[in-house]
Amino acid sequence: DTEVTQTPKHLVMGMTNKKSLKCEQHMGHRAMYWYKQKAKKPPELMFVYSYEKLSINESVPSRFSPECPNSSLLNLHLHALQPEDSALYLCASKTQGDTGELFFGEGSRLTVL
Amino acid sequence: GQNIDQPTEMTATEGAIVQINCTYQTSGFNGLFWYQQHAGEAPTFLSYNVLDGLEEKGRFSSFLSRSKGYSYLLLKELQMKDSASYLCAVWDSNYQLIWGAGTKLIIKP
Repeated sequence: DTEVTQTPKHLVMGMTNKKSLKCEQHMGHRAMYWYKQKAKKPPELMFVYSYEKLSINESVPSRFSPECPNSSLLNLHLHALQPEDSALYLCASKTQGDTGELFFGEGSRLTVL
Repeated sequence: GQNIDQPTEMTATEGAIVQINCTYQTSGFNGLFWYQQHAGEAPTFLSYNVLDGLEEKGRFSSFLSRSKGYSYLLLKELQMKDSASYLCAVWDSNYQLIWGAGTKLIIKP
């Protein structure tokens, strides 16, 4: 199994809603990432989890709250988002300690109304 | 600062060959990636270069020169489905992945 699975694929939410994005991988990877990507821009790092602990937070607003319940799962909790937060949210994973390939999920397309 | 430069857009003809260049200035180097990304989809892995030289994988090849801070992606026998953005990314010495802005490749019949 060489897949990273993200759900939902599409999400539309209002600015007062609370929703979550989910990511799952069963490759035994111990590093997991959340990226945000706007159209025609490269992915922008948000968070990195290493061995289920938050290791990098790229000054992301608190309306985004990551969670890593176990080594296979990564969540991104969303609350009080702004329309400018509309983007493609990408989850990725890789083997810890290896500067090798990042495996990306298909992404969750978020629209904030 | 850290910087990766790639052309914004390139156009090529179906069946032809195209070379997409990438130059980088990063704090250290631990490997360079090429990813392909179709509009609205996630990036998909194409190649990973750590050592100097050419890596060939089917129709795609990637070259690296660490002394020059330079890489290229070579696409042969272009197909319409190769129309996509191609992203160059470098692991720096802090194991941060630095991304280029991407090159949009347009394939014409």
